[in-house]
Parts: sequence; structure tokens; C-alpha cells
Amino acid sequence: DGGITQSPKYLFRKEGQNVTLSCEQNLNHDAMYWYRQDPGQGLRLIYYSQIVNDFQKGDIAEGYSVSREKKESFPLTVTSAQKNPTAFYLCASRGPYNEQFFGPGTRLTVL
Amino acid sequence: DQQVKQNSPSLSVQEGRISILNCDYTNSMFDYFLWYKKYPAEGPTFLISISSIKDKNEDGRFTVFLNKSAKHLSLHIVPSQPGDSAVYFCAASGAGYSSASKIIFGSGTRLSIRP
Repeated sequence: DGGITQSPKYLFRKEGQNVTLSCEQNLNHDAMYWYRQDPGQGLRLIYYSQIVNDFQKGDIAEGYSVSREKKESFPLTVTSAQKNPTAFYLCASRGPYNEQFFGPGTRLTVL
Repeated sequence: DQQVKQNSPSLSVQEGRISILNCDYTNSMFDYFLWYKKYPAEGPTFLISISSIKDKNEDGRFTVFLNKSAKHLSLHIVPSQPGDSAVYFCAASGAGYSSASKIIFGSGTRLSIRP
């Protein structure tokens, strides 16, 4: 079945550690996105990528990094520079009619 | 500055009645609007969309209305069912953004369907 997978579903990190969240899609979509959701807030764009080997900062990119070496994969690294990393992280890809398809999300908790 | 606003954080509707979720936007460059439904600890799922060349789009129990002059759109769900209880996000995109078509999301409205 086609779709977007994110792993792990739950992730715990100690302060000062970098952590990488996985996002894979087999929908053959070019554009992929990373969002974070905080309680009571909407989705805020962290990074997005229109095509392999290209990515752009979103609205809240500080403390995050991404790579896009393959069309299917768009991993997000939450670095120790991110001051408030505890959140629900969502990956998405863009379909042919401009709609975005989301993965199930990863909940990151910093201990 | 919120470009897409959902001013009602929550809404409670009796089963079988109509649910109306509202959304306002400020950027006149937006030309495509979407509604997403989200259950706790899951990713949002696409529900329905509308282009700015239309004022209504219908898909089963879901209808989206767009009033461009008022920069307002609404999602109608009729009849409301218990499974409709979720958070609904309004989103917008448009030619004012890069060709990656960034989508701007509202803060969401939590819909509860009561028996």
C-alpha cells in the first residue's frame, strides 16, 4: 500500500543530544514537508523539500536540520540547539492536486 | 501574524445535526483551501478542498463554502456522526508562495459530537 511512514512513534531524548526522525514515502511525490504540532496550536512548518538534494527553511527551522538524498526519504534531525524540542512531529508529502498526505507522526519528549 | 484563523477552538454538536466549522484568512493571494481531520496521536487526513474559482464543493456529507470577498470559508458536516469527533484544520495555499506550495494551517477546531 502507498503511504508515508514515520518512525519511531515515540522518542525520548536527553537534553543536549541530537536525534533523527525518519520519514519515508512510496507515493512517488516530489515535495515533502516537516511540521511540528504543540498542544492547542496548529501545524508549523519546519522544513520542506521540492526535489531531491534541495530543501528550504520553513517558519521555525532554527535548531533543526534535514537532508533529501533520495526521493523517498526526508529525515529530520532535532539538534541540541532546539530550545523546546518536545512536540509532535509530522511529515507530509504533496500530491498532484496540491493536497498534503501526512504520516502518523512521532512524539518526541526531552527528558 | 496568523494568516489562517480558526477562532473557535472547540464546537459541540448533537448527533444527526449539522456541524459548521469556520475559517478566516487574511492573504488575498491564497487560491486553494483545504480541510483536514485529525485524531489524537495521528497525522491529519485530507478531507476536502476548494479552489478560489469555486464557491462550493461537496463530497458526501462534507461541503465546503468559500466567500472570497469576506475571506471566509466554512466546512459543513451533515448529518454529524460520532466518528466525526476530531480536530479539524483549515489550510490555505496560493500563488504568493514558492512553487513548493507551502500550506498554511489554522490552529484547529475540536469538534465533539454528542449523542
